[in-house]
Amino acid sequence: SQTIHQWPATLVQPVGSPLSLECTVEGTSNPNLYWYRQAAGRGLQLLFYSVGIGQISSEVPQNLSASRPQDRQFILSSKKLLLSDSGFYLCAYHRQQMNTEAFFGQGTRLTVV
Amino acid sequence: TQLLEQSPQFLSIQEGENLTVYCNSSSVFSSLQWYRQEPGEGPVLLVTVVTGGEVKKLKRLTFQFGDARKDSSLHITAAQPGDTGLYLCAGEQTDSWGKLQFGAGTQVVVTP
Repeated sequence: SQTIHQWPATLVQPVGSPLSLECTVEGTSNPNLYWYRQAAGRGLQLLFYSVGIGQISSEVPQNLSASRPQDRQFILSSKKLLLSDSGFYLCAYHRQQMNTEAFFGQGTRLTVV
Repeated sequence: TQLLEQSPQFLSIQEGENLTVYCNSSSVFSSLQWYRQEPGEGPVLLVTVVTGGEVKKLKRLTFQFGDARKDSSLHITAAQPGDTGLYLCAGEQTDSWGKLQFGAGTQVVVTP
């Protein structure tokens, strides 16, 4: 079975600082990987997804970017964080067979101060 | 506006009571999942339903997919403190294969 590793678990960063969150997947090859942000009372917002190395699709315009340097690695970045970037970030692998099911990492709680 | 509306937003009950949470939409889904999330962790998949009218049971949890595949419910019988968590529903639409739409969740608290 697949395992999703995401780190760090918590992060406090000053406004204007850069960001790099990393996600790696074990137990599957060529995974479809997703970054979500979860805000209280608003569910999971899809930020980016990737179906392969170097392939990134962005769902919403924002201060963030994503990269897929290796098959099982997905990175969420920012050059300059804003206060509004605070939130709970989740990396997920979507298993797509007859239907789609999501498997999540443990999440990163980002607080921008 | 959420494509999937979950109700209630918050539910607090005593151990041993039953509860039902709902996930509603005006859109049709090819499949729908329920997840449970605990504080500081990622959601964990509980079940997937794909057929209109389908009922699935997972121990004390009963999941139902509406006949028209627009809504779903989760019923917990004799709730236990371990059932505490945020319950999220997510749906996959036929024209968006691979993507999931998530509801905002129902926070369930079961007190001893």
